[in-house]
Formats: sequence, C-alpha cells, structure tokens
Amino acid sequence: EAGVTQSPRYAVLQEGQAVSFWCDPISGHDTLYWYQQPRDQGPQLLVYFRDEAVIDNSQLPSDRFSAVRPKGTNSTLKIQSAKQGDTATYLCASSFPGTANTGQLYFGEGSKLTVL
Amino acid sequence: GQQVQQSPTSLVLQEGENAELQCNFSTSLNSMQWFYQRPGGSLISVFYNPSGTKQSGRLTSTTVIKERRSSLHISSSQITDSGTYLCAMGLNMGYKLTFGTGTSLLVDP
Repeated sequence: EAGVTQSPRYAVLQEGQAVSFWCDPISGHDTLYWYQQPRDQGPQLLVYFRDEAVIDNSQLPSDRFSAVRPKGTNSTLKIQSAKQGDTATYLCASSFPGTANTGQLYFGEGSKLTVL
Repeated sequence: GQQVQQSPTSLVLQEGENAELQCNFSTSLNSMQWFYQRPGGSLISVFYNPSGTKQSGRLTSTTVIKERRSSLHISSSQITDSGTYLCAMGLNMGYKLTFGTGTSLLVDP
C-alpha cells in the first residue's frame, strides 16, 4: 500500500515569493491534515479536511496561507509572499474513516521550505 | 504554557544500553501517540497508546492517564534506533494532536 506522498521535497525561496505544496493521501483516507514543523520543534496543526470540507483552519495564517482539497483526495497548501519565519517542514498526514478523533495519523515525508 | 513536555531533550547511548523517554501532559487527554522521525524523514507511528502498557519488540510504552504521563522504553538499543522520538496527545477532539518538542537519541557503536 502506498503511503502519503508529498511534493516537492525541498523548496528554497526569496522573501516575497510564493510556493505550493502538494499531498496525495493514502487511498481511502477521508481525513487530511497539514502540519508545520519548524526546525527542532514538534509539528503544529495548520488545517485539516474531512473529504473536501475544511473542518478546522483556525491555526492557518489566512492572510498568506491557503489550503484546498477540491475532490476530497489530493490537497494543495499554498504560501503567498513567503517570510523567513515560514521556514519549516510542511507535513501532510491522513487518517482513515472512524479514526480521526483518535488521532491515528499517517504522515508523509514532508516538504522542507527555506525562505532566504 | 507548553502542554506537552518531553525529557530528556537529547540522549546519547552506547549500543546495547537501555533508554527511558518521558512525556508529561499539562492537561487531560483522551489519546496519545509516540512517533519516530529520522532527520529529513517522515513521522512514523511507533505506538498508539491511550492508556496502559504496550510492547512491540524492544519497545515498550506505558501511559497513565490520571497521572498525565507516558513513557517509552527502548531496551538493548541499536544504532538504527537513532533519531527523534516525539510524543503527541489528543484532547477531546483527538485529531488535533499536540506534539512535544522531541527527544533526540543517538546510539553510538
């Protein structure tokens, strides 16, 4: 069974540039999460979806960050006008039906962003 | 304040030694999970352990909900155990995992 797939694995930007990260969850997983993990810190939830609906985006910096999951499968996280403070690894995770509330998540390898 | 405290921050062992990693929570929780992460790698779930003791090979996890703590014991450590171990708790809405900052483990030959 294929795991959670993310791309690109690495991105290096100048401040002010934009970047998009893509995530393909495990087949059959209805819930998809985006986490931000700064260096030497634990991941922090940005947003999560159940199917195509946003369930919680309260931690997403809405002025520059956006996330979509239009068909309830793949998802894109976009950062507009990146800042140095956005430097982090962006992790996508998914969970299968019935387990979202228990927190059993499967993570991708992450997209490491460096903003110069 | 920090809801999930992990200790130690880092640990260096000689191959074959045992390790005890601790995780303490400042609030009540209804689920917790231990993850393993290699540098540049994904988080791999090691244990989903809301309460009690679970064992898998050389790894044992013990969670005591009422004491708001969990531990991960690694016996007879191997070089391949090197990496970062993160614990995470789930509250009433378990999807919203809150992570600790991790314990960095290095096992030397």
